[in-house]
Amino acid sequence: GEDVEQSLFLSVREGDSSVINCTYTDSSSTYLYWYKQEPGAGLQLLTYIFSNMDMKQDQRLTVLLNKKDKHLSLRIADTQTGDSAIYFCAVPPSGSARQLTFGSGTQLTVLP
Amino acid sequence: DTGVSQDPRHKITKRGQNVTFRCDPISEHNRLYWYRQTLGQGPEFLTYFQNEAQLEKSRLLSDRFSAERPKGSFSTLEIQRTEQGDSAMYLCASSFPRLAGEGYNEQFFGPGTRLTVL
Repeated sequence: GEDVEQSLFLSVREGDSSVINCTYTDSSSTYLYWYKQEPGAGLQLLTYIFSNMDMKQDQRLTVLLNKKDKHLSLRIADTQTGDSAIYFCAVPPSGSARQLTFGSGTQLTVLP
Repeated sequence: DTGVSQDPRHKITKRGQNVTFRCDPISEHNRLYWYRQTLGQGPEFLTYFQNEAQLEKSRLLSDRFSAERPKGSFSTLEIQRTEQGDSAMYLCASSFPRLAGEGYNEQFFGPGTRLTVL
């Protein structure tokens, strides 16, 4: 089955850039997603990228996709303390465009 | 509030008891999903409905689990004869076909029901 891996922790200084990485083993090759989860709150979609793109920029967020290496990354520019949260990449597995396979999440801590 | 709602938010039960959770999706969303999330992990897919039809089920969904969406609106997830390993956050999500493109499937998540089995 689909396997999605992320590093568990990332710590950055306020104002620096954060880069969260994700690798996956298989995908139905449609859209790939980044979700954010804050303490006590539900998962919220942060951004997404279509599989025929290699980069998407959305304000402070940049998503990079390397389909050959099955690698997805999320860059947050000018990271703020409010960005502290758990970030999940989510990939539709082969054979299903409806369900999502999530990584274990990367806990981002932004230090003042 | 027009988001996905779940009830109850917390449930504590004794091993062997049955529990039922409810999910109310965003009103115009025809797709509804159940996921389970344990501490330190990402959500794991359990099952998916399109309208009232249950179209996909994970192997995680043992015989003790059953989900329904009788009128294509709210859904219930029942766990029979609960075990301590069932302790987790149960998340519901909903979605609707969007114009962003074929295959785009943004899922809107509810706050979850945290189940503790003693």
